[in-house]
Amino acid sequence: DAGVIQSPRHEVTEMGQEVTLRCKPISGHNSLFWYRQTMMRGLELLIYFNNNVPIDDSGMPEDRFSAKMPNASFSTLKIQPSEPRDSAVYFCASSPLGGPDGEQYFGPGTRLTVT
Amino acid sequence: GENVEQHPSTLSVQEGDSAVIKCTYSDSASNYFPWYKQELGKGPQLIIDIRSNVGEKKDQRIAVTLNKTAKHFSLHITETQPEDSAVYFCAAKKKSNTGKLIFGQGTTLQVKP
Repeated sequence: DAGVIQSPRHEVTEMGQEVTLRCKPISGHNSLFWYRQTMMRGLELLIYFNNNVPIDDSGMPEDRFSAKMPNASFSTLKIQPSEPRDSAVYFCASSPLGGPDGEQYFGPGTRLTVT
Repeated sequence: GENVEQHPSTLSVQEGDSAVIKCTYSDSASNYFPWYKQELGKGPQLIIDIRSNVGEKKDQRIAVTLNKTAKHFSLHITETQPEDSAVYFCAAKKKSNTGKLIFGQGTTLQVKP
């Protein structure tokens, strides 16, 4: 059974460029979460969706960040324009909606480097 | 809002010894407490969780305890092995269908052979 799939695994880009990170949640899961992990700030929740609808985007750092979930099996996190301080590992996680305990299953992450 | 504090930030033990990581949470409405293990270059992996209606849960060498009154919970690893070396995160969540996890800062565990 495939877990959460993220692509690309590594991304190196120059400041000012647009970056798009992709996520495929576990089939049947209705909740999807985007996290950012850095040494300084640890694991931060950026945004999460339930049934493809954004529920809480209070963690999105600024307007340069946007996320979409056009269907139950795909989500994107876009940064435009990118800046060096966006360098981090970005994780996507999914969870079965309605589960009282909210187990979240993480993907392998995308390591983003902005030069 | 909810806040989760995790200690220690680093922990070094000899192989075969036990390791204990502790977390405290601020929101008394929290009722779900998972623990994640993150190995280098990988995403966090759920290893054990506990719900507020129980005080302890075990899974082989791993156990988690919960003290609702004091609002703290702990991860216990017995007979540690080098492959237990990783970063461990605790988290807390309120009971709901849409609630989000609040993570602790992480503990880097090193098990020396």
